[in-house]
Amino acid sequence: TQLLEQSPQFLSIQEGENLTVYCNSSSVFSSLQWYRQEPGEGPVLLVTVVTGGEVKKLKRLTFQFGDARKDSSLHITAAQPGDTGLYLCAGAVINAGKSTFGDGTTLTVKP
Amino acid sequence: EAGVAQSPRYKIIEKRQSVAFWCNPISGHATLYWYQQILGQGPKLLIQFQNNGVVDDSQLPKDRFSAERLKGVDSTLKIQPAKLEDSAVYLCASRSLRSGTGSTRTYGYTFGSGTRLTVV
Repeated sequence: TQLLEQSPQFLSIQEGENLTVYCNSSSVFSSLQWYRQEPGEGPVLLVTVVTGGEVKKLKRLTFQFGDARKDSSLHITAAQPGDTGLYLCAGAVINAGKSTFGDGTTLTVKP
Repeated sequence: EAGVAQSPRYKIIEKRQSVAFWCNPISGHATLYWYQQILGQGPKLLIQFQNNGVVDDSQLPKDRFSAERLKGVDSTLKIQPAKLEDSAVYLCASRSLRSGTGSTRTYGYTFGSGTRLTVV
């Protein structure tokens, strides 16, 4: 059983479109991170959210943590080819010192 | 600051052979992790160190995998003997643990570029 479910698994869109990807769980997290991973590289941290209902913006990326701290979403506005990659969410369960990763959403943005 | 260093970047071995991976975390990061990432999946934790002690190795296949961090800095992960299903990217990560008021927050990992292992 996967602790974190990410959807969709694959997403292919045209440059300029908007998109949202989701990260869902039945567990409550003390913090949740989003990463982007490009082929041949390790994941790179984009953001950490810690407070229920929190919204963080990073240029064209908007991250939201659910009120109950069980889910999160990532919204990209006006996607660009440089946004192409594997987007991973990872959650740290309360009182645990490690994070569990979802299987990611593979995003392809076509020029 | 320098990132997490891993070597080698690529390794191809035959099944039943042995292989070792090396990781040097970010200076000052006490916590070090080894993750296995199979193609099409997210990273799965193999082992977590705090300084030179093992915190969690519950998902490490101990009959064939071993890891050490003798001086609390760099770490090695070994597989002996390798199986076909061990083909994956092995990622090392380190983390800065920060304390907040009345609670401890954990923040994101810094990953190395990984070692891509192919077992044939």
